[in-house]
Parts: sequence; structure tokens; C-alpha cells
Amino acid sequence: SQKIEQNSEALNIQEGKTATLTCNYTNYSPAYLQWYRQDPGRGPVFLLLIRENEKEKRKERLKVTFDTTLKQSLFHITASQPADSATYLCALDGSGNTGKLIFGQGTTLQVKP
Amino acid sequence: EAQVTQNPRYLITVTGKKLTVTCSQNMNHEYMSWYRQDPGLGLRQIYYSMNVEVTDKGDVPEGYKVSRKEKRNFPLILESPSPNQTSLYFCASSPRTSGGNEQFFGPGTRLTVL
Repeated sequence: SQKIEQNSEALNIQEGKTATLTCNYTNYSPAYLQWYRQDPGRGPVFLLLIRENEKEKRKERLKVTFDTTLKQSLFHITASQPADSATYLCALDGSGNTGKLIFGQGTTLQVKP
Repeated sequence: EAQVTQNPRYLITVTGKKLTVTCSQNMNHEYMSWYRQDPGLGLRQIYYSMNVEVTDKGDVPEGYKVSRKEKRNFPLILESPSPNQTSLYFCASSPRTSGGNEQFFGPGTRLTVL
């Protein structure tokens, strides 16, 4: 069956450290993968997109990798800050770029001062 | 200001009473979509629309209807709401239908069906 999985356990790290979040998928062949940030009671906010032919993408303190062999994307936040505390969602195109978007359940990140 | 708006933001209703949640975007986006978010289940797509008069089912379309008569509006209709449709609903829009363009989400509508 098709699955997209993120670590459901919250990730707690110390300020200044690098946070690494994982997104694994099964039985999909996504053309791209997206990462969103969601704060409590608010809609998700887009962070980064990485395409299947890209290995890595960066934006300021954020870095995303995409390994189509391992069927995995890693999301890194370097020099983390308490303001980075939120839930992070990955999403992929469910069926050949048709507009069907499948989200993971999200991983909650808590950065402690 | 570029945005996606949803109304109402909060709604408590009773089983069987038809309701509509409106969604509007002012960015001239082609693509619009509805999601529901439930604890432990994440965001699940209900319906999406690639353009005016073009709609398609997402993963959980049962019990919902949509229409796309104008580019800016994409209302979600619950003809006969049931308690299992109690959820947090998000509307989203995107500039184009292909290429993985980022989605802009509305603020959410918290629906309770008694």
C-alpha cells in the first residue's frame, strides 16, 4: 500500500543544534516533494520544494535532501532557535503531477533555549 | 494583501443540516484544494480543482461536494453533515496545476457536527 511517514514522536533539541526531520514514502514515485511549517491553529506555510532530479536544496538555515533510491527526504534546520518550534509537514504529488497532494502526519519540533 | 480567506472560521451545527464553507483567493491562482486535518491522521485532501469547472476527488471525498464556477472561489458543501465530519478544514490555492508549485493555505475552519 502507499504510505508517507514522518516520525510521529516530537523532536526535542537544544537551541543552536541542527534539527533533522525525516520523511519516508512507499509505493509512490513523486516528481517532487514539499516541506511546510504549521503553527498551532494555523494553516501550513510552504518552506521548500525539491524535485526528483535534485539531490539537495537550501534556503537560509534550511536544507532539504531527496533520495529517490531510499525513498526518503531529510529536512534540516541548522542553528535552530526557539522560534523554529512548530510542526513540519512533508508532502508529495500522489499521482503523476495531477494535483493530488499527499501529506505526511507531521513531526513536531521543540527547540529549547 | 495576497491571501486565501475562509468563512466561517468556526461553525457548530447539527447532523443533517446542510452547510457551505466558502473559500476565496485573490491571487488569480488556477489550482485550489480542500483538506481536512484530524489528530493522528494529518492533512487529507478532499477535493481539488485544476481550473474553472474542473474538479477532482482527493483521498476522502465522501460526504462532500465542491464547485468551481469562478476562478477565485471554491466552496465546500456538506449536504448532510455527520459527526465524523467534525474536523479542521483548510482551503489552499496554487499558481499553476503542474510543477509542484507551493500551496497557499487559508486560516482554517473548525467545524463541529453534533
